[in-house]
Amino acid sequence: ETGVTQTPRHLVMGMTNKKSLKCEQHLGHNAMYWYKQSAKKPLELMFVYNFKEQTENNSVPSRFSPECPNSSHLFLHLHTLQPEDSALYLCASSQVGQGYEQYFGPGTRLTVT
Amino acid sequence: AQSVAQPEDQVNVAEGNPLTVKCTYSVSGNPYLFWYVQYPNRGLQFLLKYITGDNLVKGSYGFEAEFNKSQTSFHLKKPSALVSDSALYFCAVRDIPTGGGNKLTFGTGTQLKVEL
Repeated sequence: ETGVTQTPRHLVMGMTNKKSLKCEQHLGHNAMYWYKQSAKKPLELMFVYNFKEQTENNSVPSRFSPECPNSSHLFLHLHTLQPEDSALYLCASSQVGQGYEQYFGPGTRLTVT
Repeated sequence: AQSVAQPEDQVNVAEGNPLTVKCTYSVSGNPYLFWYVQYPNRGLQFLLKYITGDNLVKGSYGFEAEFNKSQTSFHLKKPSALVSDSALYFCAVRDIPTGGGNKLTFGTGTQLKVEL
């Protein structure tokens, strides 16, 4: 799991707070992804970045704001979240045009109070 | 859209026995299929994939998967289960990306429990 790192591993925030999740990949990949994993629900793809450009936003509420400053780093900025946003947020990376598999970080366990 | 289905929420097997975790797919075109494993409080770990070639694909930790085009299945198998194999397993298929990249669509997951 050291290929993709995520910080923090755990986060508790109030509904009025602003926080950011960070993801870094050390694999030389050119695509990065944010997923939301909630209990009893399928893994939900949130955002896709290819070569630092956002290419997919799966109807994610605007209280989630992604940022990809370069191919190695991905952020998810959070503000005015709701309790139902509590979940495990997973970051992944892949190399476009090669292999097609994605490599995941350990995730950030987010609790919104 | 491409999709996969995992019909079993949980599979129980005794240690030393063979295990099978089922996955069926629905795709337009050639399927690109994957298996991932997730241990508690961890991210997903890539196990194996089928892109083309032999129908029996070998992966990490002694796992293998059999691609069956006529049955549209891609079942995960292991000849002899270990207690340490107990985890959540996900099947995935490469979706047709709208803007490029390697978009994957995941199944709902199957909890594997291996008992002594």
